Amino acid sequence: DAGITQSPRYKITETGRQVTLMCHQTWSHSYMFWYRQDLGHGLRLIYYSAAADITDKGEVPDGYVVSRSKTENFPLTLESATRSQTSVYFCASSHRSDVEKLFFGSGTQLSVL
Amino acid sequence: KQEVTQIPAALSVPEGENLVLNCSFTDSAIYNLQWFRQDPGKGLTSLLLIQSSQREQTSGRLNASLDKSSGRSTLYIAASQPGDSATYLCAVLMNRDDKIIFGKGTRLHILP
Repeated sequence: DAGITQSPRYKITETGRQVTLMCHQTWSHSYMFWYRQDLGHGLRLIYYSAAADITDKGEVPDGYVVSRSKTENFPLTLESATRSQTSVYFCASSHRSDVEKLFFGSGTQLSVL
Repeated sequence: KQEVTQIPAALSVPEGENLVLNCSFTDSAIYNLQWFRQDPGKGLTSLLLIQSSQREQTSGRLNASLDKSSGRSTLYIAASQPGDSATYLCAVLMNRDDKIIFGKGTRLHILP
């Protein structure tokens, strides 16, 4: 089914490990985003991408790395996971035309022990 | 720096009532504003998008208004139903090629 999909849905990892969260969209949207959602902080932007091979930092980029080699994929990597990175991570995409909305994936719940 | 605020953080109302959710933003030079719904354990679903040149948008029982000059938007829900229970978030886009900034949301509970 077309849309935006995230994997895995749940992930438990240990401090210091590298972990990659996947995001794939089938609409050929130019813009893609990674957010984390935490109680008390709401949704905070980690990184975003306006097109393939173009990425920019958001509000909380430290400890994260992204890439966008293909328009449809936007993986997020935690290079050395820390407990403070325990969160729910959402990927989103948008065509960014005047009437286009922002579409979200179902999220990845990450626990760093 | 743009800040988006939603008050109250939580709201409970009896089924059938009309209700208004509020969103305020500090910088009125926005490109557009969206209202989202989030169910527990799920992603966000866009409900309504208002361009900066528009005053309101309607979809079914939902009506969103925008007053840029005062930095406010409201989401009106008519004849509320238990299925409307969710967290509602507003978000603003400052420029076409910029990032979207979210409020922290209002958690709505409709009492049967």
